[in-house]
Amino acid sequence: AQSVTQLDSQVPVFEEAPVELRCNYSSSVSVYLFWYVQYPNQGLQLLLKYLSGSTLVESINGFEAEFNKSQTSFHLRKPSVHISDTAEYFCAVTRSNDYKLSFGAGTTVTVRA
Amino acid sequence: GAGVSQTPSNKVTEKGKYVELRCDPISGHTALYWYRQSLGQGPEFLIYFQGTGAADDSGLPNDRFFAVRPEGSVSTLKIQRTERGDSAVYLCASSLAQPYNEQFFGPGTRLTVL
Repeated sequence: AQSVTQLDSQVPVFEEAPVELRCNYSSSVSVYLFWYVQYPNQGLQLLLKYLSGSTLVESINGFEAEFNKSQTSFHLRKPSVHISDTAEYFCAVTRSNDYKLSFGAGTTVTVRA
Repeated sequence: GAGVSQTPSNKVTEKGKYVELRCDPISGHTALYWYRQSLGQGPEFLIYFQGTGAADDSGLPNDRFFAVRPEGSVSTLKIQRTERGDSAVYLCASSLAQPYNEQFFGPGTRLTVL
């Protein structure tokens, strides 16, 4: 079975500063990787995903994540955050022939002016 | 179109009672999933349906938990003899058939067992 570790439970950051959310996974087989975001009082939404190909994937709102197979990591970054990025972020993994997602415990990002 | 809907949004029950949680997936999505999210944790897989059949129920914690999807659309998660440890947010998601497709999540049902 896969497991996902999100190394930071809380990340406070000032507006326009960069942020990095760390995610490591354990799996001996090929995987798909995802970042989901949960804004206050809303449901989980997909932010970006890695299936294959280029190891750098981007979202429409400026986030990017890089798949590193040797380090089994899928860290999420944004060079300049906005107040509206305040949310909880979840890293998730599934085997490439499976459907169920295994989630990390989540990282709460709080952006302050 | 409408997203995934779940009812009720909140459910408070007493220990030992029976509860049903409903999920209405996005129209045309053949795959449906139930997850459970405890406080301070990420969602934890419970069961996955492909059409009407449960393709993987390996996440159900014990035989008090059961889920159905009789017509391949709406699903109901049933919990018998509820315990305080069952308190959590129960999330439903749906997707198109292939594993790489995005799972769309509902807002969840917050279950509190007193």
